Amino acid sequence: KNQVEQSPQSLIILEGKNCTLQCNYTVSPFSNLRWYKQDTGRGPVSLTIMTFSENTKSNGRYTATLDADTKQSSLHITASQLSDSASYICVVTRNAGNMLTFGGGTRLMVKP
Amino acid sequence: NAGVTQTPKFQVLKTGQSMTLQCAQDMNHNSMYWYRQDPGMGLRLIYYSASEGTTDKGEVPNGYNVSRLNKREFSLRLESAAPSQTSVYFCASSGIPGQRSGNTIYFGEGSWLTVV
Repeated sequence: KNQVEQSPQSLIILEGKNCTLQCNYTVSPFSNLRWYKQDTGRGPVSLTIMTFSENTKSNGRYTATLDADTKQSSLHITASQLSDSASYICVVTRNAGNMLTFGGGTRLMVKP
Repeated sequence: NAGVTQTPKFQVLKTGQSMTLQCAQDMNHNSMYWYRQDPGMGLRLIYYSASEGTTDKGEVPNGYNVSRLNKREFSLRLESAAPSQTSVYFCASSGIPGQRSGNTIYFGEGSWLTVV
């Protein structure tokens, strides 16, 4: 079964600290993996997209890694800010067209 | 560019009523999608349209119909609303993989639907 599992479900950190969110998937055949940020009451916004051959990709303070062998990805947030408070969603695309499988998300709260 | 615009933002329906969620994108994208998001669950695909004139069922199509009116617009219709359809609905669009930003899926701001 094609699944995407994210951990932790929720996380609270202090402003300025770093954190790492995890994503494990069983989706096959693999096409690409995306990380989205979803603010409360808003639609998801793309952070990164990685293909099979990419191990790491950065977008400002966000760095995503991908290990296609173990089917794991992580999203590392450096020097967190209050505006980073949101849900972070891992999404994996199968080779068969635009069929995406969404993880349940990690809800991050950054406190002052 | 407005991106992906969907209406209405909020709607309350009685069981058995019908309604249509409207979606439009101004990015000249070929593909459009309708998802629903329920608490604690990932977004689930209801229907998608790979190009103008085509539509295909996603993971949870029962109780819904769609129309790809033209390249810009993709509507979602609930013919006889049920409480199980209470959810947040997101419209999305994407371009052609390989082209600039073609792999990125852009989402609308969501439509909160409550069926009582």
